[in-house]
Amino acid sequence: EADIYQTPRYLVIGTGKKITLECSQTMGHDKMYWYQQDPGMELHLIHYSYGVNSTEKGDLSSESTVSRIRTEHFPLTLESARPSHTSQYLCASSTTGADTQYFGPGTRLTVL
Amino acid sequence: AQTVTQSQPEMSVQEAETVTLSCTYDTSENNYYLFWYKQPPSRQMILVIRQEAYKQQNATENRFSVNFQKAAKSFSLKISDSQLGDTAMYFCAFMTSGSRLTFGEGTQLTVNP
Repeated sequence: EADIYQTPRYLVIGTGKKITLECSQTMGHDKMYWYQQDPGMELHLIHYSYGVNSTEKGDLSSESTVSRIRTEHFPLTLESARPSHTSQYLCASSTTGADTQYFGPGTRLTVL
Repeated sequence: AQTVTQSQPEMSVQEAETVTLSCTYDTSENNYYLFWYKQPPSRQMILVIRQEAYKQQNATENRFSVNFQKAAKSFSLKISDSQLGDTAMYFCAFMTSGSRLTFGEGTQLTVNP
C-alpha cells in the first residue's frame, strides 16, 4: 500500500483567492505528478517532477504552478482561483525504474 | 502519440457474476506497460493490475485478470465473482518506459445485488 497524502481533501473557496494544494509521500519516490479530473471524466496530467528542483508542464494547460524543493513534497498553487478551476486534483508518485504510479486520495476543489 | 480507448462508458453486472471491460490502445512502441485502475465513489485511484508488454502471460490478481492481445492492441479486464465493492469507475492506462501515463475515458461499473 502506497503512502501518499493530500490535503485538504475538500476545499470551497471564493474567486480570486490564492490556494495551495499539498501532496506528500513517504516512500522516497523521485517522480511526482499532478492530474486534474472533472467528474466522470478521464485524468489529465498538468504537472510532473522527476526530482528535486525539476518541474515540467503536462499535457493539459493549467494556470497552476508547482515546486519541488524536497523529495517528499510537491505542492500545487493557484495564485487567483476562478470557477473554471473547480475540479478534482490527484497527486501521484513513482520511482525511477518502476512503472507503477501510486495515487493520493485527491483534493476536490470548488471555486465559487 | 499514444491513445487509449474504452468503448463502454457504463456496464452493470449481477453480484457473483463475471464481467469483462474492454480497452484498446494505439502505439508504435514495442516496450510498454498497461494498467487498470479503479476509482470508487471515494475518488481515490487504486491500482488493480498491471501488465508488461514483453510478457506473454496474462497478469492475474485474485479475482482480476487481463486478456492481453499485443497484436490486436487490446487489454481487457475480467472480474470474476463480482462483489458490491467492485462498483467503481475503471480506467485503462498506458505508459512507455520513462514516459507518462495516458488514461482512457473510463468505464463506470455497477455491481447489482
